[in-house]
Amino acid sequence: NAGVTQTPKFQVLKTGQSMTLQCAQDMNHEYMSWYRQDPGMGLRLIHYSVGAGITDQGEVPNGYNVSRSTTEDFPLRLLSAAPSQTSVYFCASSSWTGDETQYFGPGTRLLVL
Amino acid sequence: GDSVTQMEGPVTLSEEAFLTINCTYTATGYPSLFWYVQYPGEGLQLLLKATKADDKGSNKGFEATYRKETTSFHLEKGSVQVSDSAVYFCALSPYNQGGKLIFGQGTELSVKP
Repeated sequence: NAGVTQTPKFQVLKTGQSMTLQCAQDMNHEYMSWYRQDPGMGLRLIHYSVGAGITDQGEVPNGYNVSRSTTEDFPLRLLSAAPSQTSVYFCASSSWTGDETQYFGPGTRLLVL
Repeated sequence: GDSVTQMEGPVTLSEEAFLTINCTYTATGYPSLFWYVQYPGEGLQLLLKATKADDKGSNKGFEATYRKETTSFHLEKGSVQVSDSAVYFCALSPYNQGGKLIFGQGTELSVKP
């Protein structure tokens, strides 16, 4: 099992550019989530999904879009990047089966100039 | 809303010292509680968890007890090693809200030989 994978590892964008952060999991988990990590603020939930076709907003959703067309994939889209979106982004997945442990990917470091 | 507060770092200890990292939470209902660890340059890994009051989670010599009366989940280890140097995050999963974790701000631990 590869677990949770994220691409790219590192990306530099200019203000106003768009990009998609990819996330995939091979554990057949129903739940998937996106977090951003900023110094001194822990991790904050951006968007999450409880299954294919179902997404909802987290604590800091503005500027980000998501969709979930398959169980395995949960891409995060930045439509018009801003310097405030410079951060480290983590994707996570977990199962419905009562074990609430979330399994995290290795992260994507994003720098917006 | 639900929230997690943990002691600020960085915490610097000598090898074999006793470790306590305080964590308190605010939540409605009966959340599950977690400690995650992040080693330099890596994603987050589950360290331990507890899903109901008075449960004790333990792993790799670390322990934490779910105290509903004091809304706390303090992390302890009797004898730290240099290899324990990392950032530790306390988190809660709100009751019946799979896919969501609410994190504290993280505590950086540095263990010196």
